[in-house]
Amino acid sequence: DAGVTQSPTHLIKTRGQQVTLRCSPKSGHDTVSWYQQALGQGPQFIFQYYEEEERQRGNFPDRFSGHQFPNYSSELNVNALLLGDSALYLCASSLVMGGMGNEQFFGPGTRLTVL
Amino acid sequence: DAKTTQPNSMESNEEEPVHLPCNHSTISGTDYIHWYRQLPSQGPEYVIHGLTSNVNNRMASLAIAEDRKSSTLILHRATLRDAAVYYCISQAGTALIFGKGTTLSVSS
Repeated sequence: DAGVTQSPTHLIKTRGQQVTLRCSPKSGHDTVSWYQQALGQGPQFIFQYYEEEERQRGNFPDRFSGHQFPNYSSELNVNALLLGDSALYLCASSLVMGGMGNEQFFGPGTRLTVL
Repeated sequence: DAKTTQPNSMESNEEEPVHLPCNHSTISGTDYIHWYRQLPSQGPEYVIHGLTSNVNNRMASLAIAEDRKSSTLILHRATLRDAAVYYCISQAGTALIFGKGTTLSVSS
């Protein structure tokens, strides 16, 4: 059973460009969350998708947007990239019916470098 | 959102127990306390979670203070593979709110 997969593994972009990151959740999971992890920091919650809708959002600007597809996979889009967007982007999947205590499974992340 | 406070780093010897403390004095009565760990070059990995009573699983034990303002993650016998950053996590809705975590070093 494959866990959470993310693509690409690494990505280099320049300021002002746009980027799309992809995530496939663990089999049977219906909820996808995205986190940003700067170097030396803990992950920060960006947003969460369930039933193809954004259900909860962290303190991130509108340049960060997402999408969830009928097969539960998800994309994270970042427009007008800034140097400060350089980070490891993590995707986590879970079962919404697991409730507030449910375990989230993380992928290995996509390392984004903005030059 | 509730904030968690952990020591920046801790050291342990192989085969010894490790107690990782966490303060979460502002946690609400219905929020779970989660612990995840992150090994180098990997995404975070679930360790354990609990609400009020102590919890045990194959990886660790979680001791929660009666007033829920603090908790302790217990690794019963540390191994070299347990060297990682350990995060004590609060939640906002179903989102996990990470702090900076505790970097655990394990020596042989």
